[in-house]
Amino acid sequence: SQTIHQWPATLVQPVGSPLSLECTVEGTSNPNLYWYRQAAGRGLQLLFYSVGIGQISSEVPQNLSASRPQDRQFILSSKKLLLSDSGFYLCAWRSGGELANTFGSGTRLTVV
Amino acid sequence: RKEVEQDPGPFNVPEGATVAFNCTYSNSASQSFFWYRQDCRKEPKLLMSVYSSGNEDGRFTAQLNRASQYISLLIRDSKLSDSATYLCVVNMNNNDMRFGAGTRLTVKP
Repeated sequence: SQTIHQWPATLVQPVGSPLSLECTVEGTSNPNLYWYRQAAGRGLQLLFYSVGIGQISSEVPQNLSASRPQDRQFILSSKKLLLSDSGFYLCAWRSGGELANTFGSGTRLTVV
Repeated sequence: RKEVEQDPGPFNVPEGATVAFNCTYSNSASQSFFWYRQDCRKEPKLLMSVYSSGNEDGRFTAQLNRASQYISLLIRDSKLSDSATYLCVVNMNNNDMRFGAGTRLTVKP
């Protein structure tokens, strides 16, 4: 069966520090991968998606970047965090034949 | 106008009650529709897809009205465990799922 792993679960980082969140998927190949952010009391915002290795599409201009170095690995990064980067970051995947995304357990990031 | 709009609630209902959530979407080209459930501080999980003919899964019934760009979720015989935030989701194309901000439900004994 397919599983998605996301870590860490929680993270507290100072303003200006770098960020690296990792997401891996098991049990499937060539999935579509997604990074979302959910701010307190708000809906999920799609940040990046990838349909293959090295292929990244950005939905909104921001302080973040994404990379897909391997088929089932998706990384969210920042060189310098801002206070406004705080939020609940969710990785998701979907295989070609499906219509809905499956989410990882999320990383709760607090920038202080 | 938001692409997916939901009444944020909260809806506070007693056990056994029937409760309905509504959702409207702005893009008439939207292709597929879903309801997700999100527990406090957890990831969203797919509750059910929404089909044009309407569909039912146990106590849950979903309806879609494409002409009015309106989606609904009906929960019958509410359980305490139904307490969660319910997210309306619209898939614009294969990689563009738009999420509503969610409707919060609390079922009380």
